[in-house]
Amino acid sequence: KNEVEQSPQNLTAQEGEFITINCSYSVGISALHWLQQHPGGGIVSLFMLSSGKKKHGRLIATINIQEKHSSLHITASHPRDSAVYICAVRNRDDKIIFGKGTRLHILP
Amino acid sequence: DTGVSQDPRHKITKRGQNVTFRCDPISEHNRLYWYRQTLGQGPEFLTYFQNEAQLEKSRLLSDRFSAERPKGSFSTLEIQRTEQGDSAMYLCASTLGLTEAFFGQGTRLTVV
Repeated sequence: KNEVEQSPQNLTAQEGEFITINCSYSVGISALHWLQQHPGGGIVSLFMLSSGKKKHGRLIATINIQEKHSSLHITASHPRDSAVYICAVRNRDDKIIFGKGTRLHILP
Repeated sequence: DTGVSQDPRHKITKRGQNVTFRCDPISEHNRLYWYRQTLGQGPEFLTYFQNEAQLEKSRLLSDRFSAERPKGSFSTLEIQRTEQGDSAMYLCASTLGLTEAFFGQGTRLTVV
């Protein structure tokens, strides 16, 4: 079993829809990252969380430490949001462990 | 500082050849990570460094793989006697303490 599990693996939605991507992890962590990867490989950090909730523009990330679960939400989704979204956790040794990613496709 | 840089961006090599990739982290970042990513998969951990010390090496890293960070700044990842299964994107990331992780653009290796 992977230490970081994401769902769904693939998600196709219409422009404007509210998007939720989930991440569950099984190890003790010091922080959790949500990352965005576009075709071509470059990875951009969206959020780093250790508790609560963060918001940046149309993106919202939440984490529940007790339940070992985090969600990434996108409001008013747009085709330019199409990308792979990756959840990654920092374990107690500061090693970064990645989920497999969620491939999001927003249709115009 | 322009972020984490990786060189080269693309490498095509013949099977059996050796290749070396370089990662320049953000200045003063003490942690440096190497990952491998194949198509449709999330990045898989290879190894990481605290300054010049290699803290952990994944079992994914066979004896053909070696990584160094000799002065605690840039790092190199060498693959000896490359195989077609080594074809992947090799990603580098760096952090300072519990701060945001910054990623390089990756080196895409194709072994023919």
